[in-house]
Amino acid sequence: DAKTTQPTSMDCAEGRAANLPCNHSTISGNEYVYWYRQIHSQGPQYIIHGLKNNETNEMASLIITEDRKSSTLILPHATLRDTAVYYCIVRVLNSNSGYALNFGKGTSLLVTP
Amino acid sequence: DAGVTQSPTHLIKTRGQHVTLRCSPISGHKSVSWYQQVLGQGPQFIFQYYEKEERGRGNFPDRFSARQFPNYSSELNVNALLLGDSALYLCASQEAGNTGELFFGEGSRLTVL
Repeated sequence: DAKTTQPTSMDCAEGRAANLPCNHSTISGNEYVYWYRQIHSQGPQYIIHGLKNNETNEMASLIITEDRKSSTLILPHATLRDTAVYYCIVRVLNSNSGYALNFGKGTSLLVTP
Repeated sequence: DAGVTQSPTHLIKTRGQHVTLRCSPISGHKSVSWYQQVLGQGPQFIFQYYEKEERGRGNFPDRFSARQFPNYSSELNVNALLLGDSALYLCASQEAGNTGELFFGEGSRLTVL
């Protein structure tokens, strides 16, 4: 699976949009971009995933550049409860070698009042 | 519906001892994965089991083993504990073996003294 690069930490004011970037310049054509987050002392939580089109769900939006070498997770109206470590992960959707996620170190997002 | 449940939540062992961690997946989920999360790092993949067979194995020594039972619950066993095995052990379940999102439990916090 391709490697991802994320900033170590970011801050965001409550109520503003949080834009979390991720670089995955070596991504292959059949690899999806997944985002998970981990709130302190909890297990990781799935947020969203996509291949090349922008995706939106009730939690967030995922914007993938046309060349697919980078993406941005957008939390449209960040709340204090969104303070967490956010992981950008690239993997093949249906791999015959099992389903293993490479979490990396992620971005620690702090939402401030 | 109950989420992924893990037991015990916390435990303390001494070097050289053995530990067994248990996981019950979400009802209807047939795949269970195990991850190790050392303080300050993202989760690292250990094993995946699907329909009671090992589907994937991460870069962990043979001291780590696991199995999945007919009811799809799972055990992770670690022999000859080392100080470096101190970590949060996360279990995740998913409906199928190679697709879909992972649902994580709260983890078992292991401290090796």
